[in-house]
Amino acid sequence: GQNIDQPTEMTATEGAIVQINCTYQTSGFNGLFWYQQHAGEAPTFLSYNVLDGLEEKGRFSSFLSRSKGYSYLLLKELQMKDSASYLCAYMDSNYQLIWGAGTKLIIKP
Amino acid sequence: SQTIHQWPATLVQPVGSPLSLECTVEGTSNPNLYWYRQAAGRGLQLLFYSVGIGQISSEVPQNLSASRPQDRQFILSSKKLLLSDSGFYLCAWSGTEHEKLFFGSGTQLSVL
Repeated sequence: GQNIDQPTEMTATEGAIVQINCTYQTSGFNGLFWYQQHAGEAPTFLSYNVLDGLEEKGRFSSFLSRSKGYSYLLLKELQMKDSASYLCAYMDSNYQLIWGAGTKLIIKP
Repeated sequence: SQTIHQWPATLVQPVGSPLSLECTVEGTSNPNLYWYRQAAGRGLQLLFYSVGIGQISSEVPQNLSASRPQDRQFILSSKKLLLSDSGFYLCAWSGTEHEKLFFGSGTQLSVL
């Protein structure tokens, strides 16, 4: 089956750290993606994990545990421009992307 | 560098009217091309994808169709729009099937 979940909305403070979780259930797995999407705009690629562990890219890091069907996106030193929706998606055995509904992140001063 | 163009940005159409959304990619050859629809509070829904000219795969039965008349051109069409066709439509491309997607700027379609 195809099942992927992430929180609908999160709020954080400028300068702080926030972790956005994503859980999935699938019989076939070819990696997990995170995208950022500002309101009314197209999603832009943030990260890709196919092996377990943490991938760090500047202020953003992404973690994957395949055995737990779990990933998170960690955003450090939050800036107002980080206010956006964050989409997780896993790639199934047919190389099709299955998307979560997105987490709307609100940054407060 | 590769770029993707999608137009129009917004569109308001009456029920029963036709639709044509166009997407073109520059700077790459034989890309995989995709049409997605994004509804509020839901994940991106894959509508069509294409691995080559004239090769279209449909993921969900619906009122829409897609065509790929040229290598880097992908068109989403409808003969008669329904209210339920309203949404944010995104075109995307990738180099191969297991690579990341690059999205166009999207079309906000309102069917009234």
